[in-house]
Amino acid sequence: AQKITQTQPGMFVQEKEAVTLDCTYDTSDPSYGLFWYKQPSSGEMIFLIYQGSYDQQNATEGRYSLNFQKARKSANLVISASQLGDSAMYFCAMRASGSARQLTFGSGTQLTVLP
Amino acid sequence: EPEVTQTPSHQVTQMGQEVILRCVPISNHLYFYWYRQILGQKVEFLVSFYNNEISEKSEIFDDQFSVERPDGSNFTLKIRSTKLEDSAMYFCASNWRGTGLYEQYFGPGTRLTVT
Repeated sequence: AQKITQTQPGMFVQEKEAVTLDCTYDTSDPSYGLFWYKQPSSGEMIFLIYQGSYDQQNATEGRYSLNFQKARKSANLVISASQLGDSAMYFCAMRASGSARQLTFGSGTQLTVLP
Repeated sequence: EPEVTQTPSHQVTQMGQEVILRCVPISNHLYFYWYRQILGQKVEFLVSFYNNEISEKSEIFDDQFSVERPDGSNFTLKIRSTKLEDSAMYFCASNWRGTGLYEQYFGPGTRLTVT
């Protein structure tokens, strides 16, 4: 079974600063994918970034980057130059190959960007 | 950019009533999912659907739930006799290649309130 752990229920960051949201995972599958989604107060789930377990390089998408440390089973999201619009709930999720292809989500981190 | 759509955005129903939540996945996608998010909690997998049948379901997805793809575009979740604890946001998601570790596209969600 897969498990995703997000240990930070809430985080604050000053506008224009960088912030790291933690995510650790547990799986016995050798091949898996890690995702980050943003959920603003309006409720929709917005895909941010994806990292495959065999990817050699850390994923980046604009201001988002994923600090993937496979040996430590961590996949932290780094948001650079935070903006007020980044205030939202952030979920880490994992999908393992070989299983039904659903995502397993963590409990989320509520990020608040301060002006 | 193609997107997953869901209707209605908000549904209020009385306990014991049947509800049908509707989703239109992205047109060339093959794998479809329903997830649930109780207010303030993490997103939980309900069911996955491929090739016109359920491929996997969670323990939440009991006999009160059913899914259907009645035509080539719609994907529905039916709750036969709603309970208070069914109140949640329900997300539909799809992706085109279940065997790959690719992004799942989420719809905007249907907020179900059972009174």
